[in-house]
Amino acid sequence: DGGITQSPKYLFRKEGQNVTLSCEQNLNHDAMYWYRQDPGQGLRLIYYSQIVNDFQKGDIAEGYSVSREKKESFPLTVTSAQKNPTAFYLCASSTLYSGSSYNEQFFGPGTRLTVL
Amino acid sequence: AQSVTQLGSHVSVSEGALVLLRCNYSSSVPPYLFWYVQYPNQGLQLLLKYTSAATLVKGINGFEAEFKKSETSFHLTKPSAHMSDAAEYFCAVTTGAGSYQLTFGKGTKLSVIP
Repeated sequence: DGGITQSPKYLFRKEGQNVTLSCEQNLNHDAMYWYRQDPGQGLRLIYYSQIVNDFQKGDIAEGYSVSREKKESFPLTVTSAQKNPTAFYLCASSTLYSGSSYNEQFFGPGTRLTVL
Repeated sequence: AQSVTQLGSHVSVSEGALVLLRCNYSSSVPPYLFWYVQYPNQGLQLLLKYTSAATLVKGINGFEAEFKKSETSFHLTKPSAHMSDAAEYFCAVTTGAGSYQLTFGKGTKLSVIP
């Protein structure tokens, strides 16, 4: 089955530590995204990538870093510079925009990060 | 710039009653619009999308939405609520045309009362 996997499902971090969240897709999508979800705030875009070895900052990139070395993988690192990292993190992917049709984003199951 | 407003952070309906979740958007160009559903501790699943074809869009699980340009709205409806519809619903907008970013509303949590 094609889809997006995120691991781990739950992650606990001590203050001052960096942690990396995994996101893998086998949908052959070119574009991948990371969102942060907080209660009552909807989803906010952290980073996105349209092609291997290239990525752009979203609305709340400070304190986060990403890499895109393979088409299938888009890991997110939450650094110690992120002041309030406790949240639900969602990874998504999509095909690239083509013609008159916008291709929707497909989401993974999410990782819940808690800072102790 | 584009934005989405979902009226009502919580909506409660009785089982069998009409479901109406409101979404208004702001966009300087013709938008593409989406409704997603999220069950607790899960990712988002696409319910339906409007991409400038028919203004009345039918989705999964009996949901539909109507694009009204004059009202800048894309409200989600279902004639008869089921207990399994209890979830959080997100409206999202993009201008497409080279922009891959979705702008999400803050979400509406739907409760279904037996």
